[in-house]
Amino acid sequence: EVQLVESGGGLIQPGGSLRLSCAASGFTVSSTYMSWVRQAPGKGLEWVSAIHGGDNTYYTDSVKGRFTISRDNSKNTLYLQMNSLRAEDTAVYYCARDPPSRPFDYWGQGTLVTVSS
Amino acid sequence: QSVLTQPPSASGTPGQRVTISCSGSSSNIASNTVNWYQQLPGTAPKLLIYSNNQRPSGVPDRFSGSKSGTSASLAISGLQSEDEADYYCAAWDDSLNGPVFGGGTKLTVL
Repeated sequence: EVQLVESGGGLIQPGGSLRLSCAASGFTVSSTYMSWVRQAPGKGLEWVSAIHGGDNTYYTDSVKGRFTISRDNSKNTLYLQMNSLRAEDTAVYYCARDPPSRPFDYWGQGTLVTVSS
Repeated sequence: QSVLTQPPSASGTPGQRVTISCSGSSSNIASNTVNWYQQLPGTAPKLLIYSNNQRPSGVPDRFSGSKSGTSASLAISGLQSEDEADYYCAAWDDSLNGPVFGGGTKLTVL
């Protein structure tokens, strides 16, 4: 059974850093595409970042240069390193399996990141 | 402002058929497949329709998708109370080089 479990969210001051983790089971993160998608409170879904085969990485413009997606194949875990956080980054962050044939076919439960002083 | 446009709300009575539209452009819907996601209150989104009209296993055939030109639609027939949720369309955007979502449609079962 495919499962994704996020962790690492919390309250952080503007300008701070946070690393989100997404532990996968039931498949190997190295074998497919993976993405982070966020949802601001009361708002819609926004794709944030993706990692493809060969470790090619992609980001939405608003996080380029501040966020870094990576994965640890030995731990079967996806990460999102978030630096220089802003109030507008406040959201629930979901990790999702993202194969080209069936985008975002499995989602984690999400982890809340609140950027506030 | 979302790249894909959906009506903010829709409603229907039990047993009715409801459709939700999703409007895009030549760089997304017209040239790529559309996917739909259902988000029940307080839960993570779930893949409902992929590749315009394909249902993952476990999704009832009451849910169907279609696409024409720069628009797509999700239809729900035999509406049930448990269908009350937010629905999002999504597609790859060739200009932005990433996936884009609609703003979501909140479906209310009256």
